[in-house]
Amino acid sequence: DAKTTQPPSMDCAEGRAANLPCNHSTISGNEYVYWYRQIHSQGPQYIIHGLKNNETNEMASLIITEDRKSSTLILPHATLRDTAVYYCIVRVEGYGNKLVFGAGTILRVKS
Amino acid sequence: DAGVTQSPTHLIKTRGQQVTLRCSPKSGHDTVSWYQQALGQGPQFIFQYYEEEERQRGNFPDRFSGHQFPNYSSELNVNALLLGDSALYLCASSLSDYRWSLYGYTFGSGTRLTVV
Repeated sequence: DAKTTQPPSMDCAEGRAANLPCNHSTISGNEYVYWYRQIHSQGPQYIIHGLKNNETNEMASLIITEDRKSSTLILPHATLRDTAVYYCIVRVEGYGNKLVFGAGTILRVKS
Repeated sequence: DAGVTQSPTHLIKTRGQQVTLRCSPKSGHDTVSWYQQALGQGPQFIFQYYEEEERQRGNFPDRFSGHQFPNYSSELNVNALLLGDSALYLCASSLSDYRWSLYGYTFGSGTRLTVV
């Protein structure tokens, strides 16, 4: 059911930017891209979402390509606490708001 | 402001038994969704409750049932437990209207169910 493709794992040096890619080539015009992360033994945590414009908040930036077929989540200065599984999800706006999770990307931030 | 509260945090049951898991949504949220997360996998959608009714359901057997109360809290019931039901069960609350797109889901920390 997952409509996104992510690399299974990535490494990043502490203090450097972490760039997590996501492919959603079948995305429709009214589907949003959401990013959540899950730190070990906790529930998923909302990070950011967008439709077609790039978005930024206190946690991260989301860059969506012009054709909307892929996106990149950017953690500007990764810390050890950012080590987690990151999920990229597409969701149709409208009635019913379930999220369909894929396997996600395990991001390991190393000192 | 309390987030989503789930109880219990851990539970051990025997095959064939029944279990009830509980969830209190974030203050102001009116919709509750339940997810099952097996070890090493992403969360799988079980069902969603709104206005005390099941609004959506994922691909789970009828052994999985739920309930939502007038105060928006919710229960997940699983009958005739199987070893394969061992998982982390997550509750997520949200707003039902357009504000969902602004705030998304808030997840609880989950209930770890072990079936032996």
